[in-house]
Amino acid sequence: EIVLTQSPDTLSLSPGDTATLSCRASQVVSSAYLAWYQHIPGQAPRLLIYRASNRATGIPDRFSGSGYGTDFTLTIERLEPEDFAMYYCQQSGNSPWAFGQGTKVEIK
Amino acid sequence: QVQLQESGPGLVQPSGTLSLTCSVAGGSMSGPFWTWSRQPPGKGLEWIGYVYHNGLTNYNPSLTGRVSISIDTSKKIFSLNLRSVTAADTAVYYCARADSKTALAFDPWGQGTLVIVSS
Repeated sequence: EIVLTQSPDTLSLSPGDTATLSCRASQVVSSAYLAWYQHIPGQAPRLLIYRASNRATGIPDRFSGSGYGTDFTLTIERLEPEDFAMYYCQQSGNSPWAFGQGTKVEIK
Repeated sequence: QVQLQESGPGLVQPSGTLSLTCSVAGGSMSGPFWTWSRQPPGKGLEWIGYVYHNGLTNYNPSLTGRVSISIDTSKKIFSLNLRSVTAADTAVYYCARADSKTALAFDPWGQGTLVIVSS
């Protein structure tokens, strides 16, 4: 069973800053089946990145993903007010599928 | 464009069975995996399981024995049943599609439905 550990738990930043979020897997994630989601309370989670580095349809290029194997990163450049939210990584390459515990990006 | 919508009771008695349905509008049910996840109050997302169009299922080991997911492609719905519920099963429940075109990432999601376990 793969466990995804996200860090930090909370990131306090200002609009215009760059956010760097980490997701570390306890084992290699098969074929980079690693995705990132944004979740705003009261809304459905939104897919941002799939296959570790591919932006989903309609996602601004301020969002980028990188990494392979066990270490993955989500970078959000030029933070906009609507970017302050929870972010989750998730793997679908090995059973059971799983989410990380989340990173909260909050306004400083 | 595929859209998903959860439906079902918002209140379930302890020791009862939680039953939810996800309706799929647009697209085909053949090919993708159809998933359920949940978010307890104040906590993160938890994957519950998936069903494939042929009925193949896979579940979170923490719920094995209590959970079942089924699909009816003719009605374009898939369903979640969770037995012997307790207060710990109180959560917002989400359905989502996982397609190989996006490396089995979850997209789109339903809006979610809050289920409270209480007498």
